[in-house]
Amino acid sequence: GAVVSQHPSWVICKSGTSVKIECRSLDFQATTMFWYRQFPKQSLMLMATSNEGSKATYEQGVEKDKFLINHASLTLSTLTVTSAHPEDSSFYICSAPSVYNEQFFGPGTRLTVL
Amino acid sequence: GNSVTQMEGPVTLSEEAFLTINCTYTATGYPSLFWYVQYPGEGLQLLLKATKADDKGSNKGFEATYRKETTSFHLEKGSVQVSDSAVYFCALRGSSSGSARQLTFGSGTQLTVLP
Repeated sequence: GAVVSQHPSWVICKSGTSVKIECRSLDFQATTMFWYRQFPKQSLMLMATSNEGSKATYEQGVEKDKFLINHASLTLSTLTVTSAHPEDSSFYICSAPSVYNEQFFGPGTRLTVL
Repeated sequence: GNSVTQMEGPVTLSEEAFLTINCTYTATGYPSLFWYVQYPGEGLQLLLKATKADDKGSNKGFEATYRKETTSFHLEKGSVQVSDSAVYFCALRGSSSGSARQLTFGSGTQLTVLP
């Protein structure tokens, strides 16, 4: 099946710094990608829909100025957590739908903010 | 809106035991239904799916049948293995154009299989 990669797989940063997470579709093009956040032992919560060539669509309660999304090309979306704080520590997962609408998930990025 | 209610875990079974994880949903129209599996430290992998009523999805010995009359999509496996230990998520994708690609997830069920 299709492959979605994420980089980095884990990152530790100091409070107040910004962290960029990349999501790539390796063998297919994705005009849309989804960003999820997963807290320990909890489900995935959709944060935003990344749209190639236009602004991202954020879910209610998600701060767009804090979680910057850029869908630079048909195979790359980035999520930047700006001025990170310990409460932003979480597992961030992206997904991309194929032309058949099947979702392929990245392996996730574990962010720890000290 | 759409929602998925999943059996709470954790579930602990002995190897070769029978597994059922209940999942019910609320949605308008005719959603597609999915089971995803997440191994420790990894992202989600599609386990099986069903796109219309009475469809049965199956993979790796797991099965789930799309029951529209009971709005359910329960996951079953006749004989679990230690390697099945993971978190299982039930999910749906709505049929309306606005939510055509978006998934709604259940809370996840942690399964531990003991040797």
